[in-house]
Amino acid sequence: SAVISQKPSRDICQRGTSLTIQCQVDSQVTMMFWYRQQPGQSLTLIATANQGSEATYESGFVIDKFPISRPNLTFSTLTVSNMSPEDSSIYLCSVETSGGITYNEQFFGPGTRLTVL
Amino acid sequence: AQSVTQLGSHVSVSEGALVLLRCNYSSSVPPYLFWYVQYPNQGLQLLLKYTTGATLVKGINGFEAEFKKSETSFHLTKPSAHMSDAAEYFCAVSSAGTASKLTFGTGTRLQVTL
Repeated sequence: SAVISQKPSRDICQRGTSLTIQCQVDSQVTMMFWYRQQPGQSLTLIATANQGSEATYESGFVIDKFPISRPNLTFSTLTVSNMSPEDSSIYLCSVETSGGITYNEQFFGPGTRLTVL
Repeated sequence: AQSVTQLGSHVSVSEGALVLLRCNYSSSVPPYLFWYVQYPNQGLQLLLKYTTGATLVKGINGFEAEFKKSETSFHLTKPSAHMSDAAEYFCAVSSAGTASKLTFGTGTRLQVTL
C-alpha cells in the first residue's frame, strides 16, 4: 500500500487565478495519476504523470489548463490555471503499486476540494 | 476500450439487511475489477479487487464480490448492512499493461436506515 497526502485539503479561489495542488507519497512509485470528481459525479482521469517525462493527458484535458510536474518518484503537482466556476471539483491524486505483478491497483489521496467563485 | 455500468445511483437498505450493489463491465481484454468506497469528505479506499484466480473475492468490512465472466458482472454484496456502511461506492475496471488506467462507474450511494 501507499500513504498519500495532498495539500491543500480545500481552497476557495477567485475566477481567473491559479491553484497548485501537491501530492506526496510515502514511497517511490512509478505512476501517479490525477483525477477530477465534479460535484455528484464519478472520477475522470485528467492525466498520468511519470517521472522524467511529460504528463500524458486524457481527451478533453490540456497542459495549458492543467500543467503537471513530477520532479521525483514521491511527489507531483497539478495546477488548475485561469480558473472558472466550472473548475469547482475535488481533485485527487493516486498512485499505482504493482507489487511486482501488474495488478493496476491504485491508492488514492484524500483529495483537494476546490471552489471557484 | 473499457467501461463500467453501475445500476442504481442510490440504494437504500435497512440495517441488518443484505447489501447488493450492481456493476457490469465491458472490456476487450481480461479485466481487472475493483470496488472503491468513498466516505463523505474523504478520498477513495479500496474495498476489494479481482485480478486472476478465485472469482469470489473478499474485501474489508465484510464485503465480497463475485466475478462472473458470462454475465460480465462484478456485483458487491454484504450479508448484513451496518450504519457505518453508508457511503458512495465506485466500481472500476482496468486491464493488464504498463499504461494502466482505471475507468470508474458513476457510483452508487448507499443509504442505511434503522
